[in-house]
Amino acid sequence: EDQVTQSPEALRLQEGESSSLNCSYTVSGLRGLFWYRQDPGKGPEFLFTLYSAGEEKEKERLKATLTKKESFLHITAPKPEDSATYLCAARSNQFYFGTGTSLTVIP
Amino acid sequence: DVKVTQSSRYLVKRTGEKVFLECVQDMDHENMFWYRQDPGLGLRLIYFSYDVKMKEKGDIPEGYSVSREKKERFSLILESASTNQTSMYLCASTSGGAPTEAFFGQGTRLTVV
Repeated sequence: EDQVTQSPEALRLQEGESSSLNCSYTVSGLRGLFWYRQDPGKGPEFLFTLYSAGEEKEKERLKATLTKKESFLHITAPKPEDSATYLCAARSNQFYFGTGTSLTVIP
Repeated sequence: DVKVTQSSRYLVKRTGEKVFLECVQDMDHENMFWYRQDPGLGLRLIYFSYDVKMKEKGDIPEGYSVSREKKERFSLILESASTNQTSMYLCASTSGGAPTEAFFGQGTRLTVV
């Protein structure tokens, strides 16, 4: 069965404390792996696309990486404004979404 | 700047009412999707469409229907709203062919009372 699992469900970090979010996937015919940020009460906002194992993308304090079985979203020296839910999605012929990691960054 | 626009941010409807949720995209995308998002369950696909007048059932189509009369517009219809359809509804679009990212609307928080 095609599915995406994210861990942890929730993460609390002190400002400046780096960490990683995990996205494990079992999707046949993977055509892309996507990361989104979602603020409360809003739609997901696109962050990154990864297409092949070994690929990395960076944007400010965020870096996404991809292996054949999982993807990581690394957050370096987070700030309170990075607090949000982070979703990953794997795409074959359709999108498979994880349930997200709720990140709270404490000042 | 790409845009997916949902007609309402918040809606309150009564049980049994027929409810229309509208979504418009300005990116000339072929594919459009309707999801609902509930705590602990993530995003669940209700319906999607690959082209005008085409529709496909997703994972949870019961109680819903859709309409796509124009390429840029995809409507979700709740035929007879029930309290278990209280949820956040998200519309998304993506281009056909290449496996690019989906762009989402701002969401509609629907409460059925």
